[in-house]
Amino acid sequence: EVQLVESGGGLVQPGGSLRLSCAASGFTFSKYWMHWVRQGPGKGLVWIAHIKSDGGRTTYADSVKGRFTISRDNAKNTLYLQMNSLRVEDTAMYFCASGGALQTGQPWGWGQGTLVTVSS
Amino acid sequence: QSALTQPASVSGSPGQSITISCTGTGSDIGSHDLLSWYQQHPGKAPKVIIYEVSKRPSGVSDRFSGSKSGNTASLTISGLQAEDEADYSCCSYAGNTFLFGGGTKVTVL
Repeated sequence: EVQLVESGGGLVQPGGSLRLSCAASGFTFSKYWMHWVRQGPGKGLVWIAHIKSDGGRTTYADSVKGRFTISRDNAKNTLYLQMNSLRVEDTAMYFCASGGALQTGQPWGWGQGTLVTVSS
Repeated sequence: QSALTQPASVSGSPGQSITISCTGTGSDIGSHDLLSWYQQHPGKAPKVIIYEVSKRPSGVSDRFSGSKSGNTASLTISGLQAEDEADYSCCSYAGNTFLFGGGTKVTVL
């Protein structure tokens, strides 16, 4: 069973940085693409990034391109999201999700999320 | 990268059937079958209930079914139950990225 546990959220000022982590277990992490998806307060889900199984390819939504970096450490079964130049509109619950073996694999198993609040 | 379009809310009485639509374009929904549906109860993580337009993961009730016509996908919940009250979101592969719908709140009257 896919288990994903996010951490690293918190309160940060506009312009600040934060690094989220997602610890994976219950599946062969190194074989699957992984996603980050966020959900603003009272809003819908928004896909923001995903990364290939070996970390060799990444894709981002326009809203975070150039500010956020997705990465992974397969030896530690951990996914990361480095968030820089944070804006008030980045305030959201951030979920990590397992993808598929191919780039087209959609979010499958989900963590419970970690809350990021950007405010002065 | 515009979000897919879903109705904000749909309601029905227990036992009834309801359908939620998800409208995209020929560049996303209309060009392949990589379309999923997620159920999300308040304060909980999303759960995949339909993938590749009409397939159900193991353990998901057969009261949930999916279909697609052109640029619009649909999720039907038959025999509506109180536990089905939740938010439902569609998600489509969109050429290297993914698009979600805005979500539909289902209310069981």
